[in-house]
Amino acid sequence: DIQMTQSPSSLSASVGDRVTITCRASQDISIYLAWFQQKPGKAPKSLIYAASNLQSGVPSKFSGSGSGTDFTLTISSLQPEDFATYYCQQYKSYPLTFGGGTKVEIE
Amino acid sequence: EVQLLESGGGLVQPGGSLRLSCAASGFTFSNYAMSWVRQAPGKGLEWVSTISGSGSSTSYADSVKGRFTTSRDNSKKTLYLRMNSLSADDTAVYYCAKQTLLDSWGQGTLVTVSS
Repeated sequence: DIQMTQSPSSLSASVGDRVTITCRASQDISIYLAWFQQKPGKAPKSLIYAASNLQSGVPSKFSGSGSGTDFTLTISSLQPEDFATYYCQQYKSYPLTFGGGTKVEIE
Repeated sequence: EVQLLESGGGLVQPGGSLRLSCAASGFTFSNYAMSWVRQAPGKGLEWVSTISGSGSSTSYADSVKGRFTTSRDNSKKTLYLRMNSLSADDTAVYYCAKQTLLDSWGQGTLVTVSS
């Protein structure tokens, strides 16, 4: 199985901050990497697929990069609605696996 | 607009069974693989199963293999998850999602396994 390791597990940031979350795969997954945002009590929302492609309707303040085993999600200017938990997920092979999540909290 | 609507969750006793449904609209259902993902209370996301667009191929997490069965009725645009031999570890919100890259999600349905 491919293990996905996210860091940090949580972070505190202020409105306007630039935030970067990293995700590392235990083996090469090329660009088969997605990012999700989840707010309390809500379903996850897809932000990025194929490592760097923004889903339709997702604001451009979100960006993704990386390939192989190392990936990042960046939020360029954090806004109140961005405080949430973020997950990465590989879809290179079964079983599909998720990172443990990064909770972004208000500082 | 893609819409996915799960139903069928509820309280079930250990060892019991339940069938979840996911009604899809807004896209050509038969063209896409569909997945189930669950989230235990206060925990992260766990992939459960994926079925191909035709329904001819399925994959399962080891944690549910042999107990859960995913199927679909393309004429009804509906995805199913049959869950048998349920235990407390299966307590979670169950989501259906489109494809393996999970580009659209339903709102989820809560399954509670308890006596």
